[in-house]
Amino acid sequence: DTEVTQTPKHLVMGMTNKKSLKCEQHMGHRAMYWYKQKAKKPPELMFVYSYEKLSINESVPSRFSPECPNSSLLNLHLHALQPEDSALYLCASAAGLAGYNEQFFGPGTRLTVL
Amino acid sequence: GDSVTQMEGPVTLSEEAFLTINCTYTATGYPSLFWYVQYPGEGLQLLLKATKADDKGSNKGFEATYRKETTSFHLEKGSVQVSDSAVYFCALHDGAGNMLTFGGGTRLMVKP
Repeated sequence: DTEVTQTPKHLVMGMTNKKSLKCEQHMGHRAMYWYKQKAKKPPELMFVYSYEKLSINESVPSRFSPECPNSSLLNLHLHALQPEDSALYLCASAAGLAGYNEQFFGPGTRLTVL
Repeated sequence: GDSVTQMEGPVTLSEEAFLTINCTYTATGYPSLFWYVQYPGEGLQLLLKATKADDKGSNKGFEATYRKETTSFHLEKGSVQVSDSAVYFCALHDGAGNMLTFGGGTRLMVKP
């Protein structure tokens, strides 16, 4: 299984809602990533987990809260988002943090904040 | 800091034409280099990679050679198909910052 899955595929939420994005991989990878991608732009890194510990937080606002409950799962909890947070949210995993390890991306969750 | 520069698109080609998408980089040390492809409505897929100078990555008819002397990793394909229409991202990982640095992306449109 060389797949990263993400749910839901689409999400529409209001600014007062609380929702969560889910990412799962069964490749035994120990590094997992959240990216945000706006239209016609490259992905921007948000968070990196290594061995279920938060390794990098790229100065992301606290309304985004990541969680890595085990080595296969990565969640992104959303609360009090703004319309400018509307984007494609991509999850990725890699065997490790070393540079030669390619990252495997999921299909993304398209988020719309009203 | 690290940076990746790609040719701006869109690149429009006829089917069976030769493709080159230029990519140059700035990095400290010896980065690994990647090409990712993103089809409409999907996530990114790794197309090919090279981890040291003079390595050639290849996949599905696409090729790119890691040229340290010109700090380049240009993507080429001898004969493009309509199904190759997508956005292509060049990226590097310098091994120190534990993160990928992406270029701005190049949209390729192939017409029948």
